[in-house]
Amino acid sequence: EIVLTQSPGTLSLSPGERATLSCRASQSVSSTYLAWYQQKPGQAPRLLIYGASSRATGIPDRFSGSGSGTDFTLTISRLEPEDFAVYYCQQYGSSSYTFGQGTKLEIK
Amino acid sequence: QVQLQESGPGLVKPSGTLSLTCAVSGGSISSYNWWNWVRQPPGKGLEWIGEIFHNGDTNYNASLKSRVSISVDKSKNQFSLTLTSVTVADTAVYYCARGFYYGSGCYHDSWGQGLLVTVSS
Repeated sequence: EIVLTQSPGTLSLSPGERATLSCRASQSVSSTYLAWYQQKPGQAPRLLIYGASSRATGIPDRFSGSGSGTDFTLTISRLEPEDFAVYYCQQYGSSSYTFGQGTKLEIK
Repeated sequence: QVQLQESGPGLVKPSGTLSLTCAVSGGSISSYNWWNWVRQPPGKGLEWIGEIFHNGDTNYNASLKSRVSISVDKSKNQFSLTLTSVTVADTAVYYCARGFYYGSGCYHDSWGQGLLVTVSS
């Protein structure tokens, strides 16, 4: 089973700043099968990025994804107040999905 | 736009069976999608449970496979989760989600609101 490790566990930033979230896989992951989700308290997750770098429908362009192999990154170029949430990476392989443990993005 | 809604008991006794249903509206469960269950223990991260295609094909998380079954009812446009021999570790918010194909990959793009299931005597 591929294990996804996200870092940092918590990221404290201010609105307007740039956020960089990391997701590292225990073995190589196809970029086709790497996604990022945002989850706010009391809500279901929301798909942000699929295929490592494509934005899902309705996702603002301040969100971008990059990476390949075992290292992937979610970048939020200029943080808006509504972006403070928990972010999960997810991979699909061998007919199974796994999630990272999440990065909490909090207001500094 | 497709909508999903979980239903079922919010309390299950230890060693009992957890049974949940996800009703799909705004789209057909027979479309080219996978239908998933994901859970989240209180204050913790997300865990994928399994998925089903409308033809009955299933995939399960290996760690839960011996206790999990997912079925589909096309006549009611819904799918269901059964988890046997539950313990307190199975206490979680249970989400149903659609797996939609974007290019070659399948992603969870629509989710239910979630249902908290507590395992307790």
